[in-house]
Amino acid sequence: QQQVKQSPQSLIVQKGGISIINCAYENTAFDYFPWYQQFPGKGPALLIAIRPDVSEKKEGRFTISFNKSAKQFSLHIMDSQPGDSATYFCAASPSGTYKYIFGTGTRLKVLA
Amino acid sequence: DTAVSQTPKYLVTQMGNDKSIKCEQNLGHDTMYWYKQDSKKFLKIMFSYNNKELIINETVPNRFSPKSPDKAHLNLHINSLELGDSAVYFCASSQDHIVRHEAFFGQGTRLTVV
Repeated sequence: QQQVKQSPQSLIVQKGGISIINCAYENTAFDYFPWYQQFPGKGPALLIAIRPDVSEKKEGRFTISFNKSAKQFSLHIMDSQPGDSATYFCAASPSGTYKYIFGTGTRLKVLA
Repeated sequence: DTAVSQTPKYLVTQMGNDKSIKCEQNLGHDTMYWYKQDSKKFLKIMFSYNNKELIINETVPNRFSPKSPDKAHLNLHINSLELGDSAVYFCASSQDHIVRHEAFFGQGTRLTVV
């Protein structure tokens, strides 16, 4: 119940295309869902986050879609660029706790 | 200025040794964390401190002992290092766990036990 399942494991997209990464959870006590971007040799950096009372949140080229009834959320990267090539992690935080449960990561490669 | 800084960035040591990793944040945050990232890049929380008080200990072996001398620092001491401890250890901080959840991560410490 404390897991967050992430897919795909790896993704190759052409420059200008849309990258879509999906996550699913079971624990209804999760109340905060961030996405992190990690470049090799660096720490994860927050990209965008959403709470379950919102179905979509957009920041620049990055959009989170959230489906509370299906317990799924996804990251869409519009107009993907080679500089977006990184590993992306979804995460969820149980209400009232001080921790994130991370997905297993998606390695994105955007071809020039 | 680096928001969350860890030292050292790389650590190579022999089995059985004891080592420490230091972490400092200059964001004025109340909550600090240690996460472990294994060779498959899986990130898992180890400890969380809020205002210097231990809040979460995720069934980490007691060879790992965190210490928070003040709100801005959270150090990790590891005794009797084992091969399986090889990983990247990330320190992180967040303002709190209620209003602003965003966690800011350090650049990581790559620990290699030989």
